[in-house]
Amino acid sequence: QVQLVESGGGVVQPGRSLRLSCAASGFTFSSHGMHWVRQAPGKGLEWVAVIWYDGSNKYYADSVKGRFTISRDNPKNTLYLQMNSLRVEDTAVYYCARWGDDKRLDSWGQGTLVTVSS
Amino acid sequence: DIVMTQTPLSSPVTLGQPASISCRSSQSLEHSDGNTYLSWLQQRPGQPPRLLIYKVSNRFSGVPDRFSGSGAGTYFTLKISRVEAEDVGVYYCMQTTQFSHTFGQGTKLEIK
Repeated sequence: QVQLVESGGGVVQPGRSLRLSCAASGFTFSSHGMHWVRQAPGKGLEWVAVIWYDGSNKYYADSVKGRFTISRDNPKNTLYLQMNSLRVEDTAVYYCARWGDDKRLDSWGQGTLVTVSS
Repeated sequence: DIVMTQTPLSSPVTLGQPASISCRSSQSLEHSDGNTYLSWLQQRPGQPPRLLIYKVSNRFSGVPDRFSGSGAGTYFTLKISRVEAEDVGVYYCMQTTQFSHTFGQGTKLEIK
């Protein structure tokens, strides 16, 4: 079955960097686009970024554009989110999600918590 | 960006009774390919989101048939025919027609 496991979260100071990973299994990773979605504590869901199945296209939310970079390593079945110039408001649980047929986000990981605090 | 507005934000429901959540978008969600990419997701307490409905009215694999979606253009509805205890959580509509994708604020479903 589809499995997505995020890692790399932790506590980081404002202005610093962090890289999240999402290990995928149970499906052909190289055939699917992938998303990052985040959720601040006690708040709703916020879409962050998407990458095409082959890495050829990427889109970002305005709130992270220029600071975050989504990438993937298909031979390693792994999705990444490089987060630079982190701000307190980036504190959230970060989920990776598979982009399935009909533009649906059909499988989600358990999430990894990023806390930006001095 | 397309703004998604859900109502109500909180919905106390009696077990076995129906529930309905509405979602309105600031512009039409009809894609140039003719499809409307509106999804509904459920987030149970302490869990990641789970896809329930995609493309307005299609139930995802394993979703009970008491969940149904409808709508078109800018107005959409999620209905639960008979609420069960396991349905407690927050429900989100989400548009994937256009980037940036956007979510509604969420509707908290709780049992009276």
